[in-house]
Amino acid sequence: GQQVMQIPQYQHVQEGEDFTTYCNSSTTLSNIQWYKQRPGGHPVFLIQLVKSGEVKKQKRLTFQFGEAKKNSSLHITATQTTDVGTYFCAGHNQGGKLIFGQGTELSVKP
Amino acid sequence: DTEVTQTPKHLVMGMTNKKSLKCEQHMGHRAMYWYKQKAKKPPELMFVYSYEKLSINESVPSRFSPECPNSSLLNLHLHALQPEDSALYLCASSQRGDVSSPLHFGNGTRLTVT
Repeated sequence: GQQVMQIPQYQHVQEGEDFTTYCNSSTTLSNIQWYKQRPGGHPVFLIQLVKSGEVKKQKRLTFQFGEAKKNSSLHITATQTTDVGTYFCAGHNQGGKLIFGQGTELSVKP
Repeated sequence: DTEVTQTPKHLVMGMTNKKSLKCEQHMGHRAMYWYKQKAKKPPELMFVYSYEKLSINESVPSRFSPECPNSSLLNLHLHALQPEDSALYLCASSQRGDVSSPLHFGNGTRLTVT
């Protein structure tokens, strides 16, 4: 079946370093959504990208949607301990089904 | 804080028990979902209700039975569960249930089946 591959699975960074997680779909997506789940918490919606090549920023977070609408990335500049958690991408395929990536678990060492 | 409320927060049940998970939202959302999440894994879709009608059942075993009494409430009835059903059960809602409506998750019910 259709998959959304997300890498890396884990990332350990020193506070202040940058962080990037990547998602790649085998087929074209209608959109891509990003969620953050803190340890012991629930997924929280961060942002949605719809247009080919779209770039959106939220403070230190930059989200990109690829030109072919098959890949996406989330980049965090100068990580802080509050950024700790698992980041999931999720995309709707052409049939409207939402498919989650496997998630990237970010840990930040102060 | 989340606008989707789930109860209970924790539940321990035996394999012969019957229990129910409850979910409530007052955002006027017309689609509600049940997801199952195992540790270190993404949420896995179980059921979708759209305008109070079951629209998606992802081949979930019959020991899980969803119910949508009205547009604000969603229940998940549990019966004769197996230990491998232990997981975090997440309820979510979205405005219209279409691709443009993001999911709003509740805090989840952490279920342990003994």
